[in-house]
Amino acid sequence: AQSVAQPEDQVNVAEGNPLTVKCTYSVSGNPYLFWYVQYPNRGLQFLLKYITGDNLVKGSYGFEAEFNKSQTSFHLKKPSALVSDSALYFCAVRSATGGGNKLTFGTGTQLKVEL
Amino acid sequence: DGGITQSPKYLFRKEGQNVTLSCEQNLNHDAMYWYRQDPGQGLRLIYYSQIVNDFQKGDIAEGYSVSREKKESFPLTVTSAQKNPTAFYLCASSPSPIWDRGQGNQPQHFGDGTRLSIL
Repeated sequence: AQSVAQPEDQVNVAEGNPLTVKCTYSVSGNPYLFWYVQYPNRGLQFLLKYITGDNLVKGSYGFEAEFNKSQTSFHLKKPSALVSDSALYFCAVRSATGGGNKLTFGTGTQLKVEL
Repeated sequence: DGGITQSPKYLFRKEGQNVTLSCEQNLNHDAMYWYRQDPGQGLRLIYYSQIVNDFQKGDIAEGYSVSREKKESFPLTVTSAQKNPTAFYLCASSPSPIWDRGQGNQPQHFGDGTRLSIL
């Protein structure tokens, strides 16, 4: 079975500081990994994905994520946080090599960026 | 402007009543999904469909039903058998059938959800 852990329910950071939202995963075979963002009463918006290749993936709005196979992690990062980045962030995983075709989501991390 | 439209935005259900949530997409996507979102639990898959006239149960299908008669539409019915229906329901779609492994890495696109409450 595949699973995703987002160990922090909430992350607080000051505007202009770097931010990290953590994600670890468990999946059979190689993973496809995704980050999504959700604003209040809205659907999820795709930020970035890791499929294969370069471990550092760049996405929308200045976000990036680093895939670490040995630590089974895919942490989301941004060098300089904005107040407008405050939202709920979800990490998701599915297997790249079959064994199921469903996307599994983490429980989400609320990011709060303060002035 | 392509996207996914969910309606209504808010819905109230009476005891013993079935209600249907609408999901329409004009992205020409083959696969469509329904998720339920509860606070602190992330998204849980209810049903998904990889092609017209076909659908499979997800992790929490009990008390729900779906149909996929048209490529662009995937309505979800919350039946009276679902005893705790209060939640935020999200519909999503993706470009290709998931069995096509060359395309299975495409992200899912989401609608803006329907919030269902009990009267």
